[in-house]
Amino acid sequence: AQSVAQPEDQVNVAEGNPLTVKCTYSVSGNPYLFWYVQYPNRGLQFLLKYITGDNLVKGSYGFEAEFNKSQTSFHLKKPSALVSDSALYFCAVRGAKGTLTFGKGTMLLVSP
Amino acid sequence: GAVVSQHPSWVICKSGTSVKIECRSLDFQATTMFWYRQFPKQSLMLMATSNEGSKATYEQGVEKDKFLINHASLTLSTLTVTSAHPEDSSFYICSALGALGGRYNEQFFGPGTRLTVL
Repeated sequence: AQSVAQPEDQVNVAEGNPLTVKCTYSVSGNPYLFWYVQYPNRGLQFLLKYITGDNLVKGSYGFEAEFNKSQTSFHLKKPSALVSDSALYFCAVRGAKGTLTFGKGTMLLVSP
Repeated sequence: GAVVSQHPSWVICKSGTSVKIECRSLDFQATTMFWYRQFPKQSLMLMATSNEGSKATYEQGVEKDKFLINHASLTLSTLTVTSAHPEDSSFYICSALGALGGRYNEQFFGPGTRLTVL
């Protein structure tokens, strides 16, 4: 069975600084990896995904993620954080039949 | 494109009553929809996989008689919480598996339904 670990409950960063939200995964076969963002009392919004190809994936709102097969990681990054980026971020891996297994989530707080 | 709606967005009900939540894919057909439950500050937990025209597949520990799922058409799945109790209070999120543009076989999420059982 696949699993996803997000080791940080919360990440704090000052506006304008780079941010990283960590994710590691475990899956048999080729990984299909996703990042989603959730604002309070809202559903999930898709940010980006890795299926195959370049290890650096670019997504919505200036976010990108780096796939590292040897470290089984898929960290989310952004060069310059905005206060409006403050939200809950989920990493997920797709399993059989299209099901998604989510990490526990990481709260990102960007201070002005 | 790839819009999934949920209705209602929030509902408050008395203990013992039943509540129906609708999930619709507005601009694509979805043979498969998923229902998740999310407790405050926690991750999404998959409850069941809903397949159009067939019975839903429930995850271990989810009571199928309590959480009734119907997927009557390619654009609509419903979740009915029967005889709701306060412990059923949660945020319920659906997603639809669709093929849209370059995003093939990907889950598109609804905005969620906040259920509060008094």
